[in-house]
Amino acid sequence: GAVVSQHPSWVICKSGTSVKIECRSLDFQATTMFWYRQFPKQSLMLMATSNEGSKATYEQGVEKDKFLINHASLTLSTLTVTSAHPEDSSFYICSAFPLGPPSYEQYFGPGTRLTVT
Amino acid sequence: QKEVEQNSGPLSVPEGAIASLNCTYSDRGSQSFFWYRQYSGKSPELIMFIYSNGDKEDGRFTAQLNKASQYVSLLIRDSQPSDSATYLCAVNSGYALNFGKGTSLLVTP
Repeated sequence: GAVVSQHPSWVICKSGTSVKIECRSLDFQATTMFWYRQFPKQSLMLMATSNEGSKATYEQGVEKDKFLINHASLTLSTLTVTSAHPEDSSFYICSAFPLGPPSYEQYFGPGTRLTVT
Repeated sequence: QKEVEQNSGPLSVPEGAIASLNCTYSDRGSQSFFWYRQYSGKSPELIMFIYSNGDKEDGRFTAQLNKASQYVSLLIRDSQPSDSATYLCAVNSGYALNFGKGTSLLVTP
């Protein structure tokens, strides 16, 4: 159980275009999902917290107008990178926090590798 | 600034030896501590978590937590070549996680 999927697993896009990444919890519901970004040889950096039915909370330095997050249901959050540039090329990973009894464990998706040319 | 510090390594150990990975954190309010393993190009996978001071064992892995010293460690016994990966220490920041940069572990046959 506790499986999180991401789609696509990798994507190549041209500079200036937009890319949407989906994060789904397959066998549980999640009111909270997180989006992380990882550059080569670096650690995961939290970009934003996505809450079902409300606006996302962005970390300092992350442009909310560039990285659009929509958490439309208890099993789906999407991250749209608008007007992508080569410096946005990175590994984007989502994680989901299950509903139910208090738990500190969150489940990670397999990641999406974005390359902007 | 809440920080999680790890030695980047690489840490090289022979097969069958004990690998010791260390992590310090700055936020005294942190309550939960996690160790993840990440293979190149893959998402992190949870090895174990610890909330209370002391040791927690799970198979070949033992996590140790000392909140007074703001220190958490991971011991891997009987290290295998398949354990070669980057090990990420993570500390809760609310419900999100604050990750260290990871320690690269190489287990040599």
